[in-house]
Parts: sequence; C-alpha cells; structure tokens
Amino acid sequence: GENVEQHPSTLSVQEGDSAVIKCTYSDSASNYFPWYKQELGKRPQLIIDIRSNVGEKKDQRIAVTLNKTAKHFSLHITETQPEDSAVYFCAANTGRGTALIFGKGTTLSVSS
Amino acid sequence: DAGVTQSPTHLIKTRGQQVTLRCSPISGHKSVSWYQQVLGQGPQFIFQYYEKEERGRGNFPDRFSARQFPNYSSELNVNALLLGDSALYLCASSPRPIDSYSYEQYFGPGTRLTVT
Repeated sequence: GENVEQHPSTLSVQEGDSAVIKCTYSDSASNYFPWYKQELGKRPQLIIDIRSNVGEKKDQRIAVTLNKTAKHFSLHITETQPEDSAVYFCAANTGRGTALIFGKGTTLSVSS
Repeated sequence: DAGVTQSPTHLIKTRGQQVTLRCSPISGHKSVSWYQQVLGQGPQFIFQYYEKEERGRGNFPDRFSARQFPNYSSELNVNALLLGDSALYLCASSPRPIDSYSYEQYFGPGTRLTVT
C-alpha cells in the first residue's frame, strides 16, 4: 500500500543551526506534499506545502524541496530557534487523491 | 475567524460501548476528513466527506462510520469500542475535496478518547 517514510525520528540542534528532515513516498501518483508541526498536546499545524509542478518552495526560514524522480522531499529550517522545537510530520496525498498519508514524525529539539 | 472545532475535548469509555465525535469545519469549507492519531505516530486517515458524500475510506473496520450534515459539520461514530481505539481523533477541513487542486487541510484540536 501507499507509504511515507520519514527520517530521522529525532533531531537535536543548537539554536541558530539548520535542521533537515527527509521523507520518501511510494505512490508515484502523489502530487501534494504538506508538512505539519505539532507541539505537545496541540493540533497539527500546516507550515508549508509543495505541489508536484514545483521543485522548491520557501517561506522565511522554512523551505521544502521535492525530487519527483527519486520520490523524495525534504524540509529545511534555517536559523533554528527554541520555539521550533516540536514534532514535524511530512505527508503525501494518495494517488486516488482522497487522503493524506503521514510519516511517523520527527521530534526536533532546539537548545539555546 | 473560527478554526475547526471538535467536541468533546476528552472522553472516557468502556470496552464495548459506542462513541460519537463531532466536528465543525472552517466557515466556507465543504470537505471534512477524520484521522486517528495514536501516541507517538502520525495521523492515520479514516474517512473523507464532501458535500455529504463519502469520498474516501481508510483501512479501518466497519465499526467506524461517519456522516456529514447539510451545514458541512460531521460526526464520527465508533461502535463496540476496543482498548486499541484509544487515540486522539482529529478532524480536518478543506475548501474542496482532496482530489481537487486545492488540498490544504486544517486540523481541529482533536478529541482524546480513552477506552478502559
């Protein structure tokens, strides 16, 4: 079945460093790839997304890249801050388009 | 501008009981999806509804059912509860169904269900 794999499961960085989270997907028909941030006890929040007709998208300190040939997409956070600490989930839509398949999450810890 | 709302916030049920969870989407959004999030995992898709019709179903048993009302709010029902149904149940709304170009899904705060 459709699958999204996410690495690493945990990531610890110093404030000001960059953080990179990588995902791979299995369904070649997927064309929408969102990233969600979930703080402890709170709802997942959409932070950035990318569609298959675009290779890269940037929003301030956050960027996402997509390699459709390799079925890889990545989240890049620059100049990390303690408030970036959270669990980050990548997702891809199914080929049938009716659902988002999520990765297992990356716990990012930013220490000051 | 109100976001997605869900009720109740927390719920404790006994094995074998039935539960109904409720969701109101963002104003103007016509599509509602339900996800189950077990502790330490990513959300897992259960259902999607658009214009009161089921548009997708995940790999969940028939004990799970849902419906969408004319005002686009939705209910998720789970019968014959098992201990393994304990999870955070998330509702997400989007302007159009996910098989259209605009896929953005916005999550509600969730209902924490504990089955004892």
